Amino acid sequence: SQQGEEDPQALSIQEGENATMNCSYKTSINNLQWYRQNSGRGLVHLILIRSNEREKHSGRLRVTLDTSKKSSSLLITASRAADTASYFCATGSRLNQAGTALIFGKGTTLSVSS
Amino acid sequence: GAGVSQSPSNKVTEKGKDVELRCDPISGHTALYWYRQSLGQGLEFLIYFQGNSAPDKSGLPSDRFSAERTGGSVSTLTIQRTQQEDSAVYLCASSSLITGSGYTFGSGTRLTVV
Repeated sequence: SQQGEEDPQALSIQEGENATMNCSYKTSINNLQWYRQNSGRGLVHLILIRSNEREKHSGRLRVTLDTSKKSSSLLITASRAADTASYFCATGSRLNQAGTALIFGKGTTLSVSS
Repeated sequence: GAGVSQSPSNKVTEKGKDVELRCDPISGHTALYWYRQSLGQGLEFLIYFQGNSAPDKSGLPSDRFSAERTGGSVSTLTIQRTQQEDSAVYLCASSSLITGSGYTFGSGTRLTVV
């Protein structure tokens, strides 16, 4: 079942601009993660934010989490053409005592033109 | 190995045939996940293995799908009597629950049923 929903579905910007993608989810989570996918193949883990955190930074990435609104945002600052990819949010909720399986949204397709 | 390895990278099969997809997780990663992604869609969770625990098979779409993980390492996803709607990219990921650092994905197997 789909948990996270990214918004917008597609985003086109110029190099140097900032890109903001949003993710909303439905059920309680213990962490939220953002992934990037190039060319429809393997995903690359970008950042993980835990449910007790509100903001996290990694290089040009900034992620916020608002558990009261069940939403998260991913901000990419000073975008580059190489940032062109699909971005997915994924939420972790307990399947069993041992761990979690992430539930992914449908993604935001980001195009950065030079 | 250094990353998650999946084979084959591409598979074309005739409707009704059985296929086996292989995943070699990162050494030491106790958790292994299978997802599938249809064209332009998000990731659909299929099955989750964690250590010696019974796998969570709740995402398998039908009894034609099965998976096993031998010796806590290599996993094989088997699709019997393939149908055209099985065409998708099948992605495997592994993670270390100890570090909680997110998933490492393989490059996927693109399955085309003709």
